[in-house]
Amino acid sequence: DAGVIQSPRHEVTEMGQEVTLRCKPISGHNSLFWYRQTMMRGLELLIYFNNNVPIDDSGMPEDRFSAKMPNASFSTLKIQPSEPRDSAVYFCASSFRGHNTGELFFGEGSRLTVL
Amino acid sequence: AQSVTQLDSQVPVFEEAPVELRCNYSSSVSVYLFWYVQYPNQGLQLLLKYLSGSTLVKGINGFEAEFNKSQTSFHLRKPSVHISDTAEYFCAVSGVDSSYKLIFGSGTRLLVRP
Repeated sequence: DAGVIQSPRHEVTEMGQEVTLRCKPISGHNSLFWYRQTMMRGLELLIYFNNNVPIDDSGMPEDRFSAKMPNASFSTLKIQPSEPRDSAVYFCASSFRGHNTGELFFGEGSRLTVL
Repeated sequence: AQSVTQLDSQVPVFEEAPVELRCNYSSSVSVYLFWYVQYPNQGLQLLLKYLSGSTLVKGINGFEAEFNKSQTSFHLRKPSVHISDTAEYFCAVSGVDSSYKLIFGSGTRLLVRP
């Protein structure tokens, strides 16, 4: 079975450019999460969707960040404009919340470098 | 709110030796506890979890962890490590009232030497 698929795996861009990260969750999962991983702050939850609806976006750093989930099989995380401090690995994860097991299935991440 | 502390940023150990990775948590409500492993350039994958019941939890790859409520700990152990166990290990906690929200520790890098 396909796992969580993220693209691109690596992105290098210049400050001020728009960045769009993409995620395809595991089929049948109804919860989707975006996490950011940095050396300084570790793993931070940015936003959580349940049944395509944003439930908790309290971790989104600022208005430059936005996330959408137009359907059950696709989500995007957009940064506009990007800044060097946004450099990090961004993970998408999915789960079936009905089980309340807390087991998240992670993608391999998108490594973003903003110059 | 919950928080997780992994005091050891790196644990070096020789192959076939036992290892313990420490995790302490704080929470005002009952919790679920997890250990995840991250291999280089990969996402995290679940090693084991404690939801309820027996406090000794067994996971994949020979790992186990024990939930100690009085000490608010959930230490991860393996009796004999392999080179392939070299990875970053994350402890995570969620409140039973907000189980979707996993709070991760800062991670412990396990370095297994031959």
